[in-house]
Amino acid sequence: GAVVSQHPSRVICKSGTSVKIECRSLDFQATTMFWYRQFPKQSLMLMATSNEGSKATYEQGVEKDKFLINHASLTLSTLTVTSAHPEDSSFYICSARDNLFSNQPQHFGDGTRLSIL
Amino acid sequence: AQSVSQHNHHVILSEAASLELGCNYSYGGTVNLFWYVQYPGQHLQLLLKYFSGDPLVKGIKGFEAEFIKSKFSFNLRKPSVQWSDTAEYFCAALSRNQGGKLIFGQGTELSVKP
Repeated sequence: GAVVSQHPSRVICKSGTSVKIECRSLDFQATTMFWYRQFPKQSLMLMATSNEGSKATYEQGVEKDKFLINHASLTLSTLTVTSAHPEDSSFYICSARDNLFSNQPQHFGDGTRLSIL
Repeated sequence: AQSVSQHNHHVILSEAASLELGCNYSYGGTVNLFWYVQYPGQHLQLLLKYFSGDPLVKGIKGFEAEFIKSKFSFNLRKPSVQWSDTAEYFCAALSRNQGGKLIFGQGTELSVKP
């Protein structure tokens, strides 16, 4: 079945570091990918919609300069957390929608646990 | 704003008990509804989905959900839970008018005691 690969699965780094998270669709093409953030014991909050070849669409309250999204190909979207601070520590999850089945559910990656010291 | 709400934050049941988790959405118009499960340390997995047709939807692992349009609800049910059903359950809605964005409820943590 369709698989979404997210890398790395865990990152621990110092405050002020920039961290890049990759999201790949392994056996399908995805014009659109989504980035979510999940706090402990809470739901997934959509951060932005990543669009291949164009700018991402950010949800209200999400800083676009803080969370840089690049969707350079039909199988890869990256999220860069710039100058990360402890409050950015969270679980980041990406999902992708198969271009051929736009009405079908999104496929989720395993998530990246980001810990900023 | 369009939203999805789950009434129960944490549900504790004994094995073989029946389960019903509430979910309400605030969308108007055409909406697709989903239930996802997240087992400890794992990624989200789709339990079932409703797009159209029969409002009673059967999913994997014995789960089902009923879409009641008049109540804007999509409650998840299982007649007899098992210890292995211990997980976090998320209801989600996808509105065609929102560019395919999936909006999640707050999640319900289910703990099944053996």
